[in-house]
Amino acid sequence: AQKVTQAQTEISVVEKEDVTLDCVYETRDTTYYLFWYKQPPSGELVFLIRRNSFDEQNEISGRYSWNFQKSTSSFNFTITASQVVDSAVYFCALPNTGGFKTIFGAGTRLFVKA
Amino acid sequence: DTEVTQTPKHLVMGMTNKKSLKCEQHMGHRAMYWYKQKAKKPPELMFVYSYEKLSINESVPSRFSPECPNSSLLNLHLHALQPEDSALYLCASSHAGFNQPQHFGDGTRLSIL
Repeated sequence: AQKVTQAQTEISVVEKEDVTLDCVYETRDTTYYLFWYKQPPSGELVFLIRRNSFDEQNEISGRYSWNFQKSTSSFNFTITASQVVDSAVYFCALPNTGGFKTIFGAGTRLFVKA
Repeated sequence: DTEVTQTPKHLVMGMTNKKSLKCEQHMGHRAMYWYKQKAKKPPELMFVYSYEKLSINESVPSRFSPECPNSSLLNLHLHALQPEDSALYLCASSHAGFNQPQHFGDGTRLSIL
């Protein structure tokens, strides 16, 4: 069965600190995708990144970076120099094989204090 | 501003009322989704439409009735809801096909009295 584990329920940091959100996944598939979504207090989930299992290169987008390691089944997300606007719930997600259903992790709530 | 528009933003209804939630997107997406999200929980999939046909029903009670009148619109008709149905209802859309990123609306915060 597929599973996504985000062990960190809540993280609190002070602005400008770096923070890493952990994601560990389980799948028997050899080909799969992983996603990260951000949910600010306004409610909508915002797509951040999609990563194919064949591409283990780290991805950087501004202050955001992602570290994908198949050997440890992890897809961690780092925010560099965090800002108050980064305060949100972050979900790691794994689409079900051959279907429309997405398995979401429990989410990590990030508080960034000024 | 999100590209998926949901109305209303908030809805309070009694257990005997009938109401509808509406969702609209103009991104040309052919897959549309309804999710239910309780506080401090991840979204739970309810329904998926692909090319205006119901593709997934996650064993949702019949008091929730989805409808996809055309490729841009998705409705969720509500009737005789229970207090435990109070939640944030999120609509999403994506390109047809699997493993596509989903674009979400702001949601409707529903309270059942």
